[in-house]
Amino acid sequence: QKEVEQNSGPLSVPEGAIASLNCTYSDRGSQSFFWYRQYSGKSPELIMFIYSNGDKEDGRFTAQLNKASQYVSLLIRDSQPSDSATYLCAVNNDYKLSFGAGTTVTVRA
Amino acid sequence: NAGVMQNPRHLVRRRGQEARLRCSPMKGHSHVYWYRQLPEEGLKFMVYLQKENIIDESGMPKERFSAEFPKEGPSILRIQQVVRGDSAAYFCASSPPGQDRYNEQFFGPGTRLTVL
Repeated sequence: QKEVEQNSGPLSVPEGAIASLNCTYSDRGSQSFFWYRQYSGKSPELIMFIYSNGDKEDGRFTAQLNKASQYVSLLIRDSQPSDSATYLCAVNNDYKLSFGAGTTVTVRA
Repeated sequence: NAGVMQNPRHLVRRRGQEARLRCSPMKGHSHVYWYRQLPEEGLKFMVYLQKENIIDESGMPKERFSAEFPKEGPSILRIQQVVRGDSAAYFCASSPPGQDRYNEQFFGPGTRLTVL
């Protein structure tokens, strides 16, 4: 079983819609969780982190964490063409990050 | 407010040569991490360093790879006798001290290594 798994993409959504990204992790001891955005040929850019169960909102982004289910998600509201990228879920395991394979999102104008 | 800096951004080496990748963390950050992203694969942890100390190198290949973070100057990832399979994007990330629980890591632009 992979340490971090993300829903396979690609995910195509129309402009203005909500994009929903999911991630599960295997280590129950994990304490913090991150979402990174990576444009093609670029480096990962930190969007959000979450460490408590529940929701955390930042602008158009909402991260959700359920430690009992070992599940973390990211919602992108009012999707824009500039949101088209690969989204990486990362889990903090003793200071090193374990990354999922990423979900590629395409926002159709 | 400079972010994480890496150089060179692109590096071409022939098989058997050495590659040296440099990373300067963000101002105030004392923790440095190296990750590798192979083509069509995810990011994989390689090594975690603090000044003059290697904390965890469990993700480093046993041979040909080494890393350091000296008291003065940037962190260096060194790959000796490169092979074609070393072609990848190498990213450095840094985090500030005292955030072990949350550990927000900020990534540099990466060095794209091509081995001919």
